[in-house]
Amino acid sequence: KAGVTQTPRYLIKTRGQQVTLSCSPISGHRSVSWYQQTPGQGLQFLFEYFSETQRNKGNFPGRFSGRQFSNSRSEMNVSTLELGDSALYLCASSPGTQTDTQYFGPGTRLTVL
Amino acid sequence: LAKTTQPISMDSYEGQEVNITCSHNNIATNDYITWYQQFPSQGPRFIIQGYKTKVTNEVASLFIPADRKSSTLSLPRVSLSDTAVYYCLVKALRAGNMLTFGGGTRLMVKP
Repeated sequence: KAGVTQTPRYLIKTRGQQVTLSCSPISGHRSVSWYQQTPGQGLQFLFEYFSETQRNKGNFPGRFSGRQFSNSRSEMNVSTLELGDSALYLCASSPGTQTDTQYFGPGTRLTVL
Repeated sequence: LAKTTQPISMDSYEGQEVNITCSHNNIATNDYITWYQQFPSQGPRFIIQGYKTKVTNEVASLFIPADRKSSTLSLPRVSLSDTAVYYCLVKALRAGNMLTFGGGTRLMVKP
């Protein structure tokens, strides 16, 4: 089975721009979660989507949004980029029940200049 | 959410057994304990998960005492490639899949 894939792997943007990151979960997985990892704050939960609905949300501003499509693929959008948004953005998928193991993708490295 | 505490770093040598202990004093009845491994610039990789007593798989063992206030990840005969950050997480059994990561333990395996 193919693992979680994320595109693009690397991205450079400037302040004020917006960006869209994509995540394709493992086949059959219905839950997709997004995390932000920075040296200062570590790994932080952004949100989770299950069956096209946001099921959980972390403590991030409204500039961070996401969606999930009927094939379970998910996108994450960050508007009005700030320097502090530079991070590794990780996507994780799981079948969707509460005890499922989450499998992470390789991440998208976003640099905001 | 139960907070986890684990050592910031550990050093070991190739071939040794490494035990990383995690404290989770406020663990709730339905919480699971999960460990992930992460290499630089990669996503975390699931290692092992358990609820109580002992769980073993092909890469590690997880020991959980009866009071469940701590857990120990045991890596047998580590190699240089086991150098990574290891995260202990308490996964709440509630709607959704939200993992709360702490600072992790940076394991350095030396030759």
